[in-house]
Amino acid sequence: DIQMTQSPSSLSASVGDRVTITCRASQSISTYLNWYQQKPGKAPKLLIYDASTLQTVVPSRFSGSRSGTDFTLTISSLQPEDFATYYCQQTYSTPRTFGQGTKVDIK
Amino acid sequence: QVQLQESGPGLVKPSETLSLACTVSGGPLSSYYWSWIRQSPGKGLEWIGFINYSGGTTYNPSLKSRVTISIDTSKNQFSLKMTSVTAADTAVYYCAREWGGGSPSRLDYWGQGILVTVTA
Repeated sequence: DIQMTQSPSSLSASVGDRVTITCRASQSISTYLNWYQQKPGKAPKLLIYDASTLQTVVPSRFSGSRSGTDFTLTISSLQPEDFATYYCQQTYSTPRTFGQGTKVDIK
Repeated sequence: QVQLQESGPGLVKPSETLSLACTVSGGPLSSYYWSWIRQSPGKGLEWIGFINYSGGTTYNPSLKSRVTISIDTSKNQFSLKMTSVTAADTAVYYCAREWGGGSPSRLDYWGQGILVTVTA
């Protein structure tokens, strides 16, 4: 199985901050990397696929990038509705695997 | 607008079989993979497996011996059965659509999730 390691596991930030979350794959996955946002009691919501392609209607303050097997989700200016848990997922091979999540809360 | 809705019992006894269905509306079953994912309380996401329109399945090896995913195209529905459940199977179970469309695939539509508790 491909292991996905996210960091940090949690972070505290203020509205307007730039936030960066990283995800490292245990082997090459090309750009088969997705990012999801999950709020309490809700299903995950797709933010970014193909490592850097923004899903329809997702605000442009979200962006994704890749460097080898390292992937980054960046929120350029954190908004109140962005406080949530973020997960990466690889779809390069089965079983599909997720990172352990990064909880973003209010400082 | 595509919508997915899970249904099934919220309580299952240990050693029995968990059975859930996911009804898809607003779009076809063809051309997609239909997935089950679960999330134990306070934990992360675990992929269970998926099925395509033709009935081809792929399962997580960690659950493969206990899991069956099936599809009923006449009802626009797919289902999950998990045998010999224990307390460790208590989780919110999500159904979701995986789609590539020429790009790396992603889970673009999700059901709201259903909490299944394994308890005597």
